[in-house]
Amino acid sequence: GNSVTQMEGPVTLSEEAFLTINCTYTATGYPSLFWYVQYPGEGLQLLLKATKADDKGSNKGFEATYRKETTSFHLEKGSVQVSDSAVYFCALSDQENTPLVFGKGTRLSVIA
Amino acid sequence: DTGVSQDPRHKITKRGQNVTFRCDPISEHNRLYWYRQTLGQGPEFLTYFQNEAQLEKSRLLSDRFSAERPKGSFSTLEIQRTEQGDSAMYLCASSSRTTGTRKYFGPGTRLTVT
Repeated sequence: GNSVTQMEGPVTLSEEAFLTINCTYTATGYPSLFWYVQYPGEGLQLLLKATKADDKGSNKGFEATYRKETTSFHLEKGSVQVSDSAVYFCALSDQENTPLVFGKGTRLSVIA
Repeated sequence: DTGVSQDPRHKITKRGQNVTFRCDPISEHNRLYWYRQTLGQGPEFLTYFQNEAQLEKSRLLSDRFSAERPKGSFSTLEIQRTEQGDSAMYLCASSSRTTGTRKYFGPGTRLTVT
């Protein structure tokens, strides 16, 4: 079945550091890929998505590129801020009416 | 668009009691999903409705769990004879054909079983 593996946390970075959170997936078809973010005390919010190979999703300075050859969708940000502290989830969905499959999440803490 | 809402936001119950949660999806969304999220884990799929029909159930949905969506709008998730292992965040999400593969999540209901 479909699955998502993302790097374990927690990740602690200083403000303005470069962020990478690795995500790889297993799927039978050509899924859509997502990064969701969960800020403390809040629900899941979509951060970015990509629907086909070589697409780059971007939002709020975060980027991720759909790499079919390596089945990866790594999240990157060039300069993190304290306000980026949250839990980040990589997820996939292979059809519009099928449930999302999530990774376990990576907790990011950014310190000033 | 008022977003997906869930009620209650927090529930504390004693082992053996029954609990019921409610989810109100975005009004034009005909697809509704329930997930469970335990500490340190990603959300795990429980069940899925399209309109009022329950189309898919995860093996995680034991016979103590039941979900309904009687009129194709709001949904309820009931847990009977709660156990401590049921303590988790229960998330609801909705979508429609126009949203494609994207799902919109509610804030969740945090259940604590003592």
